[in-house]
Amino acid sequence: RKEVEQDPGPFNVPEGATVAFNCTYSNSASQSFFWYRQDCRKEPKLLMSVYSSGNEDGRFTAQLNRASQYISLLIRDSKLSDSATYLCVVNMRTGNQFYFGTGTSLTVIP
Amino acid sequence: DTGVSQNPRHKITKRGQNVTFRCDPISEHNRLYWYRQTLGQGPEFLTYFQNEAQLEKSRLLSDRFSAERPKGSFSTLEIQRTEQGDSAMYLCASSLWPGNYGYTFGSGTRLTVV
Repeated sequence: RKEVEQDPGPFNVPEGATVAFNCTYSNSASQSFFWYRQDCRKEPKLLMSVYSSGNEDGRFTAQLNRASQYISLLIRDSKLSDSATYLCVVNMRTGNQFYFGTGTSLTVIP
Repeated sequence: DTGVSQNPRHKITKRGQNVTFRCDPISEHNRLYWYRQTLGQGPEFLTYFQNEAQLEKSRLLSDRFSAERPKGSFSTLEIQRTEQGDSAMYLCASSLWPGNYGYTFGSGTRLTVV
């Protein structure tokens, strides 16, 4: 079983829509969680960390459910510029290697 | 530019040749990571350093791969006797430890083995 699993999509949504991605992780001892964004042929860039209490950054909301071992990302009022691949990332021990999901592809359509 | 820098950006090599990539991390970051990414997949961990010490290596890192960070600053990743299956994007990232701020990635080196 992979450490991190994501639905690869693709998700094709109209501008202004709300879209949600989920990701599950296998190791209950995982300590840190992140969402990264990756544009085509570019490097991944940190979108946001995910905290146990949930956190929000503008149109983006991240949630962590430790009991069910999943994290989610909600994007409200989608923009064309949100089109990218969203990578779920889990860190077993802080500072050590990250485990990446395969990414979920999002295309926002005009 | 204070980001993570990788060179070269692209490398095309013939099967069997050796290649070396370089990564310059953010200067105050003490941890440096190498990942490999193929099309449609997320990055896969290869190895990481804290200062000059190589602390962990993935099983993916066969004996044809070697990485160094001799002075705890820049790092090199060498692949000997390249194979077509080595074609991928090689990503370097750095972070400050202790801390939990996520990695900062470089732009990557895209390797094509022909």
